[in-house]
Amino acid sequence: GAGVSQSPSNKVTEKGKDVELRCDPISGHTALYWYRQSLGQGLEFLIYFQGNSAPDKSGLPSDRFSAERTGGSVSTLTIQRTQQEDSAVYLCASTGQRTDTQYFGPGTRLTVL
Amino acid sequence: GQQLNQSPQSMFIQEGEDVSMNCTSSSIFNTWLWYKQDPGEGPVLLIALYKAGELTSNGRLTAQFGITRKDSFLNISASIPSDVGIYFCAGPGSSNTGKLIFGQGTTLQVKP
Repeated sequence: GAGVSQSPSNKVTEKGKDVELRCDPISGHTALYWYRQSLGQGLEFLIYFQGNSAPDKSGLPSDRFSAERTGGSVSTLTIQRTQQEDSAVYLCASTGQRTDTQYFGPGTRLTVL
Repeated sequence: GQQLNQSPQSMFIQEGEDVSMNCTSSSIFNTWLWYKQDPGEGPVLLIALYKAGELTSNGRLTAQFGITRKDSFLNISASIPSDVGIYFCAGPGSSNTGKLIFGQGTTLQVKP
């Protein structure tokens, strides 16, 4: 597709379950970012991938959060043993050469009951 | 850490009115970005500012990069109903990874 896609668009899960969120960046974009947006808040950086370099995981809030990017394209954000405070919209963005021009996907709305 | 403070938090205006919102920081930013987020969508870049004092327009939108590099404002002239959404300022974080620091957002509602 032409833009960044994310799936699922909505995910409802029970506390303690693991979830996987997927991001398909724009074809050819080398950098990929995950952000979290809590209700009424701005976006909070989680993790950054650039090519084959080691990812910048400095924004991950706990060791329950992890992400991988396979083949330099698709990325999966995994949250283990979900907690209610993990409820948020998780947004993915990708960029080409200009890292300030980030193209965002529509997000995955995660609700932990 | 770096933080961006946006104001106002929300605005409710009449169609046709002009709107102004701003963003301040305690630290210097070398780039200021303004994004708009529609409900159920990801943010979309509206305007990017790269030079202190720069004034840039995009249709009815005008944004300025403050001289001190610690603030920026966004103006919307002659608002229309489709201007409804959340407006975010953003700037690059202190690392060179390109991660963005976002303000808390200004929610704009336009009454027809």
